[in-house]
Amino acid sequence: QVQLQESGPGLVKPSQTLSLTCTVSGGSISSGDYYWSWIRQPPGKGLEWIGYIYYSGSTYYNPSLKSRVTISVDTSKNQFSLKLSSVTAADTAVYYCARDLGYGDYDYWGQGTLVTVSS
Amino acid sequence: DIVMTQTPLSLSVTPGQPASISCKSSQSLLHSDGKTYLYWYLQKPGQPPQLLIYEVSNRFSGVPDRFSGSGSGTDFTLKISRVEAEDVGVYYCMQSIQLPWTFGQGTKVEIK
Repeated sequence: QVQLQESGPGLVKPSQTLSLTCTVSGGSISSGDYYWSWIRQPPGKGLEWIGYIYYSGSTYYNPSLKSRVTISVDTSKNQFSLKLSSVTAADTAVYYCARDLGYGDYDYWGQGTLVTVSS
Repeated sequence: DIVMTQTPLSLSVTPGQPASISCKSSQSLLHSDGKTYLYWYLQKPGQPPQLLIYEVSNRFSGVPDRFSGSGSGTDFTLKISRVEAEDVGVYYCMQSIQLPWTFGQGTKVEIK
């Protein structure tokens, strides 16, 4: 059974960098069959797609966040990570990592982690 | 970006009764490969979203057959034939024909 688990600080100060890691268990991130994604959800609001990474390292980011986002992969640890720079209160959200079968069909999700941007 | 518009934004349904949610996209979701990249997700309270329907009308593994999807081009519908208490939550449509993937605003379904 594949499991994804987000980890990282729950509180980030404005203008700093948000850093989260998603650890994948029960399956290899290097299998080549999937895209590994980050999606976020501000409190009480809808879902926003942030971007994805393939095990080879190729990425695609949402243009609305592109200048601030970096997604990386560490196949040796079976993890992928999200960095979002210059955060503001608008970046306060539950951040989910998820496995994409290739075309937006997300079959496994992490439970999500709330990141609050506040001084 | 492709804009996904759902209606209604909320729905109150008596158990055993049907429910229907509409999703309209700002561009056709029909790909040159013949597939239409429209998905439906359900987010139950306190949980991450879960995949219900892929490519308009295909139920994902384990999804009850009371859920069905239909539509083409830019107009899509999710139907629940007989709503059960466990169906409460927010339903989202999502397109993946063009990056970035985008979601509808969500439709909150509650039980009367």
